[in-house]
Amino acid sequence: DAGVIQSPRHEVTEMGQEVTLRCKPISGHDYLFWYRQTMMRGLELLIYFNNNVPIDDSGMPEDRFSAKMPNASFSTLKIQPSEPRDSAVYFCASSQINEQFFGPGTRLTVL
Amino acid sequence: AQSVTQLDSQVPVFEEAPVELRCNYSSSVSVYLFWYVQYPNQGLQLLLKYLSGSTLVKGINGFEAEFNKSQTSFHLRKPSVHISDTAEYFCAVSVSGGYNKLIFGAGTRLAVHP
Repeated sequence: DAGVIQSPRHEVTEMGQEVTLRCKPISGHDYLFWYRQTMMRGLELLIYFNNNVPIDDSGMPEDRFSAKMPNASFSTLKIQPSEPRDSAVYFCASSQINEQFFGPGTRLTVL
Repeated sequence: AQSVTQLDSQVPVFEEAPVELRCNYSSSVSVYLFWYVQYPNQGLQLLLKYLSGSTLVKGINGFEAEFNKSQTSFHLRKPSVHISDTAEYFCAVSVSGGYNKLIFGAGTRLAVHP
């Protein structure tokens, strides 16, 4: 298996632009998690899905952030409009039983 | 609610010396415990996990951890570290039957010096 796939690996955008991050979980995993990692706040859970249904989005910082999982093999995290304080590394992880497998992350820079 | 405390934000150590990274958790229900490692500019990778059974758990790269229920601890150890072990280490807990959600500690940066 190729593991969790995230794209793009790096994204540089200007404040106010829409940003879409993508994730392909490991086949057969029925949980998908989105995290954000910054120096100041560490690793934060933003939202997670079970069988494509959002279970807990209490970590989503504000309405500018939205996440979808239209099918078992694809999820997106969208930020609109983006702000400089959104600059971070965003990780996607998937899980079947207990252990979470992390993707390589998307490094987002908002200028 | 569950929480995880990693007692040291940074641990410097010389190559070939032993190391212990400390982790304490709080939970009123049974938990699963994990240690993840993050190398620079990479995602998190599982080192080892405790689900049940033997309290001494062996993982990859020569690491091991011991679950101590009475002290609510899950400290990570390695008898002899290498330069390549320099990384950020995260302790995490999940509640059994709790949607596989992990609660992560703040991380410990292990710096191995020659």
